[in-house]
Amino acid sequence: KNQVEQSPQSLIILEGKNCTLQCNYTVSPFSNLRWYKQDTGRGPVSLTIMTFSENTKSNGRYTATLDADTKQSSLHITASQLSDSASYICVVSEPPDSWGKLQFGAGTQVVVTP
Amino acid sequence: DAGVIQSPRHEVTEMGQEVTLRCKPISGHDYLFWYRQTMMRGLELLIYFNNNVPIDDSGMPEDRFSAKMPNASFSTLKIQPSEPRDSAVYFCASSLLGQSYGYTFGSGTRLTVV
Repeated sequence: KNQVEQSPQSLIILEGKNCTLQCNYTVSPFSNLRWYKQDTGRGPVSLTIMTFSENTKSNGRYTATLDADTKQSSLHITASQLSDSASYICVVSEPPDSWGKLQFGAGTQVVVTP
Repeated sequence: DAGVIQSPRHEVTEMGQEVTLRCKPISGHDYLFWYRQTMMRGLELLIYFNNNVPIDDSGMPEDRFSAKMPNASFSTLKIQPSEPRDSAVYFCASSLLGQSYGYTFGSGTRLTVV
């Protein structure tokens, strides 16, 4: 069973609107949780990284939250733009911090329409 | 920095042929990873190297797959003989020990075996 589950699988939003993506994980213990953006035909690019002691991290219009007690994370996109159309992947890193196995979610496909 | 460079970007080959994928990691990074991405299974770690030495190849699907890293600036992933089920996007990534934030993916090689 995948240790990182993402929802929804896909969503369509209108340009300028906000949206929130969810990530539930069972990896324990964990070192850090990352959100990646993957444009079509490109490799994943890191948006945010949070350790277990952090509960929020922002990168421009992207804000990630983490609740280590409930093992849930969310990625909020504010004022979406057409360029936000991509797959967003939640990744949980096992210890040790220097190198730990990464557990990947299946991703949420976001389509932003004009 | 040019980032992680992979070649070719696209490869179409016939079943039974040998396929070689290439990767140049970011200069100074001491970890290199090979991933495979499919719609069904998402991102899967195949093998990773530390200082040019293979550390964990448990993700390599079968003996038809092999990977080498002859020096710090070059790695190859070889499939011989190739099969249609090997069709996927193969990513290379590199990172710097102790620096989780340095984990960087290449743009991938899309392999199609017909």
